[in-house]
Amino acid sequence: DVKVTQSSRYLVKRTGEKVFLECVQDMDHENMFWYRQDPGLGLRLIYFSYDVKMKEKGDIPEGYSVSREKKERFSLILESASTNQTSMYLCASSSPGFKGTDTQYFGPGTRLTVL
Amino acid sequence: DQQVKQNSPSLSVQEGRISILNCDYTNSMFDYFLWYKKYPAEGPTFLISISSIKDKNEDGRFTVFLNKSAKHLSLHIVPSQPGDSAVYFCAARRRHFYSNYQLIWGAGTKLIIKP
Repeated sequence: DVKVTQSSRYLVKRTGEKVFLECVQDMDHENMFWYRQDPGLGLRLIYFSYDVKMKEKGDIPEGYSVSREKKERFSLILESASTNQTSMYLCASSSPGFKGTDTQYFGPGTRLTVL
Repeated sequence: DQQVKQNSPSLSVQEGRISILNCDYTNSMFDYFLWYKKYPAEGPTFLISISSIKDKNEDGRFTVFLNKSAKHLSLHIVPSQPGDSAVYFCAARRRHFYSNYQLIWGAGTKLIIKP
C-alpha cells in the first residue's frame, strides 16, 4: 500500500522562526511536490523535485526553500516564518512517464499556524 | 491567472440522485484532466482521469466528460452516496520538461450528500 507521511499534523510557530516540514514516501517515486492549500485557492505548487538534489520552483516559491538529499525524503523550509504562511501544507509524490497520468499520492497534510 | 476554475464552492445533492461537478480551463496545452477527492484531515486521493483526446471516461459510479471546444469538463456521480461527501478538486496536466509534468489545480467544490 502506497504511503506518504508528513512529520507533523499540526504545528504552531512564531513569526521569524525557522520551520522544517518533512515528507517521506515509500514508493520509490522520482517526483516529489510541496503544495499549500488555502480556502478558495485550491492547491498551489511551492516547489517540486524530479530527482535527488534537484529542485524546481513552482508557482509560489517566495519565502520557501527545499532540500532533497535522499530519494524518499523531501523537506520544505520556511527560513523566517510569517503570518501569511499560515496554511495547510501537502506533500505528494509520483512516478514520471509519458503514458498514464502521473498520479500524485498525497500525505495527510500539515496545518501550520504562524503567530 | 487561474487556468483551472471550479466556480461552485459547494454543492448539495440528495442521496441517490446524480451529482454533477464542473470545471473550466483556459490552456489548450493540457493533455490530461484529473479529479481528486479530499476528506477532512486527509490528503487528496486520485479518483478518475481523462485524456484530452477522449470525451468520456467511466469508472463505476463515476463518469468524467470532456468538451474540448468549450474547455469544460464535468464529473458525474450516479447514484450519490453519503460517503461521497468530500471536497472534489479538478486538476489539469501540462508538460514541464522532458517526461515530467505539472498539475494545475482548481479551487475545489465541496459536495454534501443529504440523506
